[in-house]
Amino acid sequence: EAGVAQSPRYKIIEKRQSVAFWCNPISGHATLYWYQQILGQGPKLLIQFQNNGVVDDSQLPKDRFSAERLKGVDSTLKIQPAKLEDSAVYLCASSLRTSGFPGELFFGEGSRLTVL
Amino acid sequence: KNQVEQSPQSLIILEGKNCTLQCNYTVSPFSNLRWYKQDTGRGPVSLTIMTFSENTKSNGRYTATLDADTKQSSLHITASQLSDSASYICVVSSFSGGYNKLIFGAGTRLAVHP
Repeated sequence: EAGVAQSPRYKIIEKRQSVAFWCNPISGHATLYWYQQILGQGPKLLIQFQNNGVVDDSQLPKDRFSAERLKGVDSTLKIQPAKLEDSAVYLCASSLRTSGFPGELFFGEGSRLTVL
Repeated sequence: KNQVEQSPQSLIILEGKNCTLQCNYTVSPFSNLRWYKQDTGRGPVSLTIMTFSENTKSNGRYTATLDADTKQSSLHITASQLSDSASYICVVSSFSGGYNKLIFGAGTRLAVHP
């Protein structure tokens, strides 16, 4: 079974530029998460989708971050314009469901962003 | 406020030795508790998931315990190996508003030296 795919693995941009990350979850997984992980810290939830609907985006900086999940499968996370403090690893994860017992959460390898 | 605190922040042990990592949480309502292993530059990988009624769960040399009364969990690693060097993250799930919300700890960074 293929895992959660993310791209690109690494991205270096200058501040005020834009960047987009892509995630393809495990087939059949209804729930998709985007996390931001700053070096030395635990992952912080940015947005959680159930199919193509948003369940939780309370910690997403909506003035610069946006995310979408078209057709309830792939998802993209965009940052525009980027700030220095956005330097982090962006992790995508998926699980079968979000209600009831949530089951296993599977993470991708992450996309490491460096903002200069 | 829902919080997950882990200790120690970092730990160095010699290969073959045992160690125990701690996780304290103030999460309500509680749904389940998970431990993840995160190798450097990789995504976290699940080690164990425990519900309210489970107080111990093993996965090879990893044994997790849960005391729901004191809201504490521990992860015990037996006969450590160099490949155990990683960050270990405690995650508590809270079911609220119709969906499960995951609260992450900051992790314990473990280094196993030969």
